[in-house]
Amino acid sequence: GIQVEQSPPDLILQEGANSTLRCNFSDSVNNLQWFHQNPWGQLINLFYIPSGTKQNGRLSATTVATERYSLLYISSSQTTDSGVYFCAGTLQGAQKLVFGQGTRLTINP
Amino acid sequence: EAGVVQSPRYKIIEKKQPVAFWCNPISGHNTLYWYLQNLGQGPELLIRYENEEAVDDSQLPKDRFSAERLKGVDSTLKIQPAELGDSAVYLCASSPGGGADTQYFGPGTRLTVL
Repeated sequence: GIQVEQSPPDLILQEGANSTLRCNFSDSVNNLQWFHQNPWGQLINLFYIPSGTKQNGRLSATTVATERYSLLYISSSQTTDSGVYFCAGTLQGAQKLVFGQGTRLTINP
Repeated sequence: EAGVVQSPRYKIIEKKQPVAFWCNPISGHNTLYWYLQNLGQGPELLIRYENEEAVDDSQLPKDRFSAERLKGVDSTLKIQPAELGDSAVYLCASSPGGGADTQYFGPGTRLTVL
């Protein structure tokens, strides 16, 4: 199956800072998605982004499918952005979503 | 619109006991997923339903785990008997159609096996 590698594994920032989270895939993927898991465990879908760039407020994501990576940008971080960010995707022709190990983001006030 | 509902939120049992988790997906969502999430890791798919049919249960340990989705709406995941290594968070998710389109997750059930 595909391998999903996320970096960095941990990130600690001050409120107001910007950050970039990266997701690399070992093979071509479809249905690439970014999720945020808050400190209470709730997983929220941030982006469905198989290719291209999308923006939603302070968050944006870019997927370069031909190079097998995706980036999540968070600008002007707030303490509520803390949690674990996961990317996930499916192998072409498959429907099983495979998750990375996550990036744990801590935003300090 | 209500989100994915799961119960219970927390469960503590002794090993060898049975346990069941319940999930009610978002209304109108035909696809339902059960995931297992161990501490510090991403969710891993256990089983996927399209309506009432289990279309991918390759990761479900069938010797002790079972699942059902009668009438293609609610679903129950059961473990019998539970083992210490089953301690984890069990997540349910749903999506509108087939495939791996945008998935919406419930709050999860945190299981502790003593």
